[in-house]
Amino acid sequence: NAGVTQTPKFQVLKTGQSMTLQCAQDMNHNSMYWYRQDPGMGLRLIYYSASEGTTDKGEVPNGYNVSRLNKREFSLRLESAAPSQTSVYFCASSTGLAGGYNEQFFGPGTRLTVL
Amino acid sequence: AQSVTQLGSHVSVSEGALVLLRCNYSSSVPPYLFWYVQYPNQGLQLLLKYTTGATLVKGINGFEAEFKKSETSFHLTKPSAHMSDAAEYFCAVIKNSGGYQKVTFGTGTKLQVIP
Repeated sequence: NAGVTQTPKFQVLKTGQSMTLQCAQDMNHNSMYWYRQDPGMGLRLIYYSASEGTTDKGEVPNGYNVSRLNKREFSLRLESAAPSQTSVYFCASSTGLAGGYNEQFFGPGTRLTVL
Repeated sequence: AQSVTQLGSHVSVSEGALVLLRCNYSSSVPPYLFWYVQYPNQGLQLLLKYTTGATLVKGINGFEAEFKKSETSFHLTKPSAHMSDAAEYFCAVIKNSGGYQKVTFGTGTKLQVIP
């Protein structure tokens, strides 16, 4: 099993350009998440998908859109990139079973620089 | 609102010395508490977790943490540091919220191990 995979690993954009970050998981998980990681700020949730067909805003959704394409795939789109979106982006997934805690499994990250 | 505070963004220890990484939480309900580790250029990996039951929790790579409700703490320890422990460590509190698990991460502590 590959777990959670993300593409691309690195990306440099100019201000105003658009791009889509791809995420896929092969663990048959229901829930998927997008986080951004910035120095000194830990990880902050951008969007999540509790189950296939649903998406909801997290802590910092402005400037982003998401698509839960199917149970495996959850993409993050930047329509008009801004320098403030320079960050490392992590996708994660969990079983999403009700009750208790479901461990989140993380992908390797995408390092995005917006010039 | 729930939150976690990690004291010290950088901690340096000598190889073989005790590792102590501090985490304090605030939560209005009994929390689920976790420690994640992030090795350079990788995603986050679950180190250990406290949900219910025994307050001393053992994790991978010889790490352990003790949940102390009276002190609202969940400090991470390892008796003897190894060079391979150099990484960034994140404390997190998790709460079930409206159908998904809201994860709040601390700002992270980078551990340096000096030979």
